[in-house]
Amino acid sequence: AQKVTQAQTEISVVEKEDVTLDCVYETRDTTYYLFWYKQPPSGELVFLIRRNSFDEQNEISGRYSWNFQKSTSSFNFTITASQVVDSAVYFCALSERRNYGQNFVFGPGTRLSVLP
Amino acid sequence: GAVVSQHPSWVICKSGTSVKIECRSLDFQATTMFWYRQFPKQSLMLMATSNEGSKATYEQGVEKDKFLINHASLTLSTLTVTSAHPEDSSFYICSAQTSGYTDTQYFGPGTRLTVL
Repeated sequence: AQKVTQAQTEISVVEKEDVTLDCVYETRDTTYYLFWYKQPPSGELVFLIRRNSFDEQNEISGRYSWNFQKSTSSFNFTITASQVVDSAVYFCALSERRNYGQNFVFGPGTRLSVLP
Repeated sequence: GAVVSQHPSWVICKSGTSVKIECRSLDFQATTMFWYRQFPKQSLMLMATSNEGSKATYEQGVEKDKFLINHASLTLSTLTVTSAHPEDSSFYICSAQTSGYTDTQYFGPGTRLTVL
């Protein structure tokens, strides 16, 4: 079973629309971290947010917001008033403790296309 | 801050040759570095975790004799693809973090390897 599931493979929206990217994770650890990364066409991953398993407060950063719901093992990402520059592949990731350090697992990614 | 560089950004080589990819943390000391490979339109797959001064830990299915990893200093890790074959063609991405699994991974820009 996938540890990190991003059910939406591709999403297309028109500029200025709001869009939510879903992420569902699976872990037996009580302490873990969740991340969102953006991968634009250039290929370089851009860190967006890190959230630890004990902090369920939602977070807003400009047009970006994140909704962490431990009860449903979800960490969804919303972009408000989307822009063409938001077009990219977005990855959700889970970090768990292992003997040698950490197990960092990426979801399959969601390709977002924002059309002008 | 937290800049990670990779060199080269792209490389084309003949089948049977070896290719070395460097990953450097430019403005911080990285106790742990990670190597990923990404096939087109797919997610990142962790290949190995390397801690400075010790042997790398390889993920299941990754041949350690084919993908040699050296993490000789706190700012440099290298991945050598030995006797490369066309099926090794991929996008190789490194990441680095400071200490502990709680820290965010900062990613390099990636190296596109094409084996003819």
